[in-house]
Amino acid sequence: EAQVTQNPRYLITVTGKKLTVTCSQNMNHEYMSWYRQDPGLGLRQIYYSMNVEVTDKGDVPEGYKVSRKEKRNFPLILESPSPNQTSLYFCASGTGTAYEQYFGPGTRLTVT
Amino acid sequence: ELKVEQNPLFLSMQEGKNYTIYCNYSTTSDRLYWYRQDPGKSLESLFVLLSNGAVKQEGRLMASLDTKARLSTLHITAAVHDLSATYFCAVDMNRDDKIIFGKGTRLHILP
Repeated sequence: EAQVTQNPRYLITVTGKKLTVTCSQNMNHEYMSWYRQDPGLGLRQIYYSMNVEVTDKGDVPEGYKVSRKEKRNFPLILESPSPNQTSLYFCASGTGTAYEQYFGPGTRLTVT
Repeated sequence: ELKVEQNPLFLSMQEGKNYTIYCNYSTTSDRLYWYRQDPGKSLESLFVLLSNGAVKQEGRLMASLDTKARLSTLHITAAVHDLSATYFCAVDMNRDDKIIFGKGTRLHILP
């Protein structure tokens, strides 16, 4: 089954404790992206990647890191999480000229 | 800076009625996307519009794009309760693949 998976789906952590949210897709897509969704703000892009070893900042990259060492994986790293990073995070992948995106199920992160 | 504005942000309507959601964006782009999100769920792609004048239809939903006016519309025909969801438009920023989403339109269709 074609899908984008994220782990974990739920995470409660404390300020400053490094964490990684994994994202994997099995559709051989070149394009992958991370978004955060906050009430009243819609989705905001954090980082995106056009292909392996190619990443670029989205609208709200501060406090996040990403890497793209393999085509299928695009982990999101929070080196020192803060409470303002409490949010719902979505990973997405896409291919072709249009970059129609397929979204993962989401990761709900709470930073206390 | 690219801005994407959706109107209305909230819409409550009766079954059987027609309505239109508007998506305005502030800079040149010729790739626009519509997504649907059900409560507590992820996003599902509805339409990809790639050129001026593009029109796509799926069931009771029809999307169009006017790149000169920087406007896309999502038209709902004879609404049914199952279409209740939040609808997002998103714009590709000048083909550099950065994507900007609107804040979403929460659609509530009363049976």
